[in-house]
Amino acid sequence: GAVVSQHPSWVICKSGTSVKIECRSLDFQATTMFWYRQFPKQSLMLMATSNEGSKATYEQGVEKDKFLINHASLTLSTLTVTSAHPEDSSFYICSADFGGLGETQYFGPGTRLLVL
Amino acid sequence: AQKVTQAQTEISVVEKEDVTLDCVYETRDTTYYLFWYKQPPSGELVFLIRRNSFDEQNEISGRYSWNFQKSTSSFNFTITASQVVDSAVYFCALSEVNSGGSNYKLTFGKGTLLTVNP
Repeated sequence: GAVVSQHPSWVICKSGTSVKIECRSLDFQATTMFWYRQFPKQSLMLMATSNEGSKATYEQGVEKDKFLINHASLTLSTLTVTSAHPEDSSFYICSADFGGLGETQYFGPGTRLLVL
Repeated sequence: AQKVTQAQTEISVVEKEDVTLDCVYETRDTTYYLFWYKQPPSGELVFLIRRNSFDEQNEISGRYSWNFQKSTSSFNFTITASQVVDSAVYFCALSEVNSGGSNYKLTFGKGTLLTVNP
């Protein structure tokens, strides 16, 4: 299957700092990338959908000024958590697909964020 | 609104037992896709299968099999002769066009934690 990478895999930061997470599709051009958040023992919650070269579409309740998404190329999307607080500590997962209904989303390995 | 229900929160079996993970979905669309993903303790989601709403054929892949029944809106997953390495959280997911018609997304069930004991 297609390969998606995420960097970093672990982040520990102080409250108030910003954290950038990168998501790359390694062996295909991803028309669409998705960002999810997962709290311990819970399911994945979609945060936003991003298409290359256009603004991200955020899910209801997700602050777009806090979670900045940039999809600059067909192989790279970034999520920046601005002014992180302890409640932002979570497992952030990205996925990518070829675009279109029903396309299989391939997931990155995830980034664990701990805000102290 | 789309919804995916995985009623089994946790299942524990002994190695070599067969186990079935249930998935029931709700959608108003006639065209949709269903998925199963495996999330081992490492956290990375592994794609297992995709099925579109027009294909009700059951599928078998090694020890894995899937039973899709539109009449009951179910897409169940069976592992035959389970192994310790099968221990993971398994998610069922539904893909359909969003309400605005301009995008689509996956809706995940809450997941079933499967523990296979030696």
